[in-house]
Amino acid sequence: EDQVTQSPEALRLQEGESSSLNCSYTVSGLRGLFWYRQDPGKGPEFLFTLYSAGEEKEKERLKATLTKKESFLHITAPKPEDSATYLCAVHSGGSNYKLTFGKGTLLTVNP
Amino acid sequence: EPEVTQTPSHQVTQMGQEVILRCVPISNHLYFYWYRQILGQKVEFLVSFYNNEISEKSEIFDDQFSVERPDGSNFTLKIRSTKLEDSAMYFCASRADRVGSYEQYFGPGTRLTVT
Repeated sequence: EDQVTQSPEALRLQEGESSSLNCSYTVSGLRGLFWYRQDPGKGPEFLFTLYSAGEEKEKERLKATLTKKESFLHITAPKPEDSATYLCAVHSGGSNYKLTFGKGTLLTVNP
Repeated sequence: EPEVTQTPSHQVTQMGQEVILRCVPISNHLYFYWYRQILGQKVEFLVSFYNNEISEKSEIFDDQFSVERPDGSNFTLKIRSTKLEDSAMYFCASRADRVGSYEQYFGPGTRLTVT
């Protein structure tokens, strides 16, 4: 059974203070790792897909990286509007691409 | 930009009643999903739907649940006899049938409250 563990559960940063969120996974064969952003009371918003170890993707202040056991979401010089829960999900097989999610990291960026 | 829409945003129902949650996936997508998120817990997969049939379902998706694509745009989740533990946010998602594009796009969710 696929498992996804995210750490830390919560992270509080000052505006401009860079940091990283971790997603470790256990799957029988990774077919894709996905990062989503979720605001309170809203649906997950797609950020990145990573498929193979060594792959990196960037979007504004966010950069996602992937190794064979974990993924990192690096946040550079965050702003208060980056405050949200960041979810990691994996897909390990089958044509349906059902996602297995972690519990998420609640990021708060103070001005 | 195309997006997944869901109605209603909030549904309150009494235990034992039937509810139907509605979704309009992105128009050129062919894979459809329902997930749920109980307050404070993980987003959990319920069911996937492709080519007018269920392609995979989780243990949560028992005989009380059903899905349907009644026309070319809507995708519905029905719970026949709601229980207190069905209270959760229900998210619909859709995905394109395109090689190299496997991300799912989620709707804003329906908050279901069973009293």
